[in-house]
Amino acid sequence: AQSVTQLGSHVSVSEGALVLLRCNYSSSVPPYLFWYVQYPNQGLQLLLKYTSAATLVKGINGFEAEFKKSETSFHLTKPSAHMSDAAEYFCAVRRNTGFQKLVFGTGTRLLVSP
Amino acid sequence: EPEVTQTPSHQVTQMGQEVILRCVPISNHLYFYWYRQILGQKVEFLVSFYNNEISEKSEIFDDQFSVERPDGSNFTLKIRSTKLEDSAMYFCASGGGGQSYEQYFGPGTRLTVT
Repeated sequence: AQSVTQLGSHVSVSEGALVLLRCNYSSSVPPYLFWYVQYPNQGLQLLLKYTSAATLVKGINGFEAEFKKSETSFHLTKPSAHMSDAAEYFCAVRRNTGFQKLVFGTGTRLLVSP
Repeated sequence: EPEVTQTPSHQVTQMGQEVILRCVPISNHLYFYWYRQILGQKVEFLVSFYNNEISEKSEIFDDQFSVERPDGSNFTLKIRSTKLEDSAMYFCASGGGGQSYEQYFGPGTRLTVT
């Protein structure tokens, strides 16, 4: 079975500061990992994905994440936060075969202050 | 850019009534999913559908739920007799074949059961 744990239901940063959202996964088989962003009253937008190629993956809006097998982590970072980054961020995992379901974490709400 | 669409955006229904939530997946995708998100909680998998049959379902997806692909474009979720606890945002997603491992989400339908 697969699962993800997102540490911190809320993360607050100042505009221009580093963003770090944590995700740890548990998987009995090599996983595929994803980060999705959800803006208020909107659907889920894919930020980036890890599918066993490069361990450092770059996504949209300046976000990136690094897959660390030894730490079972896939933390999301952005060097400099913008006000427009304020949203809910979900980490998700799935098996690396076929088109399996996504298993989501509980989400982290990012708050960005001026 | 192709996108998943869902209708209606918001549906209010009385307990015990049947509802049908509609989705139009991306046209060349082969895999279809329904997820739900109860307010303030994480996104949960309900069911996946491939080749005109259910490929996997969660324990949430009990006998009151059904899915159908009535024609070449629509993918529907029916809830036969709604309960208060069915109130949630329901997301449809679709995924393609080949080397694309992503699931593309629609904007969601907010279901309110009164």
